[in-house]
Amino acid sequence: ILNVEQSPQSLHVQEGDSTNFTCSFPSSNFYALHWYRWETAKSPEALFVMTLNGDEKKKGRISATLNTKEGYSYLYIKGSQPEDSATYLCASREGGYQKVTFGTGTKLQVIP
Amino acid sequence: GAVVSQHPSWVICKSGTSVKIECRSLDFQATTMFWYRQFPKQSLMLMATSNEGSKATYEQGVEKDKFLINHASLTLSTLTVTSAHPEDSSFYICSARGTSGTNQYFGPGTRLLVL
Repeated sequence: ILNVEQSPQSLHVQEGDSTNFTCSFPSSNFYALHWYRWETAKSPEALFVMTLNGDEKKKGRISATLNTKEGYSYLYIKGSQPEDSATYLCASREGGYQKVTFGTGTKLQVIP
Repeated sequence: GAVVSQHPSWVICKSGTSVKIECRSLDFQATTMFWYRQFPKQSLMLMATSNEGSKATYEQGVEKDKFLINHASLTLSTLTVTSAHPEDSSFYICSARGTSGTNQYFGPGTRLLVL
């Protein structure tokens, strides 16, 4: 059973500030790391899927990095906007298994 | 991105009744569907994985006779909570994966309250 941890659990930032949060996962038998953005009353939205050590992905003001050797991924948001307010989930998938294991999420609140 | 619908979005029922939740992939064929449950302040916990036309694979601790899963077509999976009790009250959410096998697309979830 994977243990996927996210930190912080929640944070509040001012509009325009940049922020980042962490997902840590077991590095052995790693297959893929997923990031999702989950707004209240909506479906979790897939942001990134990363598989290779050193991967960096970007989508607008949001980017993510991956270190599979030490078992962590960072999600960065540049110039936070109120519409970025959501819970950000990461999930790790082991090789040979279909399922992904989720962290508890980081709840971001961007204050106008 | 791909769209997954889930119905109903919320349900309140009496203890002892059965509740069926539907999960549909609207614009792609979902070869694999996943059912998750989330209790307050906890992470999404996988209940079962189902491949179209096959029996579902349940995670440890999930009773297959209580949580019946049917994945009869490439666009529909159902979860039936049989003889629901208050402790089954939770948020149930499905996700679907297509033939590309990389991304999972989530439904909006169903909040179940058993009185």
